[in-house]
Amino acid sequence: QQQVKQSPQSLIVQKGGISIINCAYENTAFDYFPWYQQFPGKGPALLIAIRPDVSEKKEGRFTISFNKSAKQFSLHIMDSQPGDSATYFCAASRAGNQFYFGTGTSLTVIP
Amino acid sequence: GAVVSQHPSRVICKSGTSVKIECRSLDFQATTMFWYRQFPKQSLMLMATSNEGSKATYEQGVEKDKFLINHASLTLSTLTVTSAHPEDSSFYICSASRGGQDTQYFGPGTRLTVL
Repeated sequence: QQQVKQSPQSLIVQKGGISIINCAYENTAFDYFPWYQQFPGKGPALLIAIRPDVSEKKEGRFTISFNKSAKQFSLHIMDSQPGDSATYFCAASRAGNQFYFGTGTSLTVIP
Repeated sequence: GAVVSQHPSRVICKSGTSVKIECRSLDFQATTMFWYRQFPKQSLMLMATSNEGSKATYEQGVEKDKFLINHASLTLSTLTVTSAHPEDSSFYICSASRGGQDTQYFGPGTRLTVL
């Protein structure tokens, strides 16, 4: 059973637009929700993360929105740039234990 | 801070040989290290979790005699692929955590190709 479901599988956005990637989880015990950015041939890099005691976290152009009641969280990339083109993974974990990853979203930002 | 390195970044070996991949936390002590496998355009598949000084915990379906994991110190874990076969060709990624509610910091990955 997929613990974390991610959509869309791929996304094409114009430069300057907003990229939105969504994730949903099942286990209400999860207490940590990170987003990772991965470029081809590289390991994932932590982009931004949120804990369930807040509904939104913003770091620069990246924002996580968290809806605890709906068990959903999303990544918003404002003013998307071609350099943001990468694969994005959401994840969820409980007390720092095993991370459950989404299936990934391939983002392409076209000039 | 929180840098994780992997060595080698790429390795090509012949079928039947063994390959060792090192994962190091460069500027912190990693209580727990994780090993993942990633196929092209797919998500990360957790292979095993290792805590310093104890035996690794393998995920269901992962052969522990084939994928030997050693976490000898708080900064080093190794994954040895024994008697490698072409189907073991993949991208192997490690991550490290300081424990508790800390996040996972990923290494750059190792591309293994078995001929």
